[in-house]
Amino acid sequence: QVQLQQWGAGLLKTSETLSLTCAVYGESFSGYNWTWIRQPPGKGLEWIGEINHSGRTNCNPSLKSRLTISVDTSKNQFSLKLSSVTAADTALYYCARGDSSGSGSSLTYWGQGVLVTVSS
Amino acid sequence: DIQMTQSPSSLSASVGDRVTITCRSSQDIRNDLGWYQQKPGKAPKRLIYAASILQGGVPSRFSGSGSGTEFTLTITSLQSEDFAFYYCLQHSAYPYTFGQGTKLETK
Repeated sequence: QVQLQQWGAGLLKTSETLSLTCAVYGESFSGYNWTWIRQPPGKGLEWIGEINHSGRTNCNPSLKSRLTISVDTSKNQFSLKLSSVTAADTALYYCARGDSSGSGSSLTYWGQGVLVTVSS
Repeated sequence: DIQMTQSPSSLSASVGDRVTITCRSSQDIRNDLGWYQQKPGKAPKRLIYAASILQGGVPSRFSGSGSGTEFTLTITSLQSEDFAFYYCLQHSAYPYTFGQGTKLETK
């Protein structure tokens, strides 16, 4: 049974760095694209970026300048860092597994989500 | 970026109804599209991948169709547990993009 468990600081101040980690249980880490998605309160979903087991990343250009996605294969974990946060970054952040499908990867298993609130 | 235009944004229906949700993409995405259901306080759950393939364990009343730029999710014989939000997601080109979502609510 594949499980993604995520954690990180839930309350930040403007200009701080958001940091989240997602651990993968019950499945090999290789062969998938490990993905971050976010959802502002009451709004829709936004794809943030992905990383594979070798560290190759693809990121949303709207966030790329502030974004770092990394992987620790020894722990079956991947992480998200978003610098210089503002209130616009307040959202529920999800991690997910991307399974190869057609041209890209389709999101199958999801973490439980972590609410990150940015205040001044 | 590929724009995904999802309609309707909300839909009122009754148990037993048949409903259809549409996503249109701003460019050809072949069949690189999935449909997701999200209930309050929960992570999205994949229902359909590759536009028309039913995810294992998902009831057969859910179906997907389409390719290119127009896609539909159909739910036949709505059940009470189907009232939720629905999103499409294209994974044909980066950045991947979601439709704006459809709130399916009880009439």
